[in-house]
Amino acid sequence: NAGVTQTPKFRVLKTGQSMTLLCAQDMNHEYMYWYRQDPGMGLRLIHYSVGEGTTAKGEVPDGYNVSRLKKQNFLLGLESAAPSQTSVYFCASSYSTTRAESSTDTQYFGPGTRLTVL
Amino acid sequence: QQQVKQSPQSLIVQKGGISIINCAYENTAFDYFPWYQQFPGKGPALLIAIRPDVSEKKEGRFTISFNKSAKQFSLHIMDSQPGDSATYFCAASMVWNTGNQFYFGTGTSLTVIP
Repeated sequence: NAGVTQTPKFRVLKTGQSMTLLCAQDMNHEYMYWYRQDPGMGLRLIHYSVGEGTTAKGEVPDGYNVSRLKKQNFLLGLESAAPSQTSVYFCASSYSTTRAESSTDTQYFGPGTRLTVL
Repeated sequence: QQQVKQSPQSLIVQKGGISIINCAYENTAFDYFPWYQQFPGKGPALLIAIRPDVSEKKEGRFTISFNKSAKQFSLHIMDSQPGDSATYFCAASMVWNTGNQFYFGTGTSLTVIP
């Protein structure tokens, strides 16, 4: 049981280049999330998904796209990278919750991807 | 607009002391308040969480105090240890028609001095 894994761990891009970050979870979770973490800003939600084939925008979605073609995978794409997208990106997953049990609200985070855009 | 405000930004505590981190929120629709612990190079991990129907929750050396009327909650780490040195995030969650959304505080870097 690997939990939540992210690929790659590090990446350096030039402005205008594109890339895709891959998140995979083996816990059969319905919900998956992409966050970015910047100094002094905490974690900010980019996009999330409540199930296979569905996606929704979070707080800071501009410049990113996502896809959830398979339940276990959640991809984050940058079509034209900008220096402002230099950040650490975290993927997380959680159960679909009935709000009756606190454990179902737990988000499990991956180890992160450190992205630098020059 | 920061949905969850966290303070202090950094905290230095002697071994054996009490570490206190505070958070405040405005949106009364929030109904779940977790705390996460993050070590350098790692993703955040759930530490302890509380719902607004209780005023306190304790797990080992970690306690959440919750004041619903003041819309504030805090994390207390008793008998702080060097191994507790990490960044701590508070968060708040509410149910939307498209699922749960989590809002995080800006984090507190805790250093416990031996």
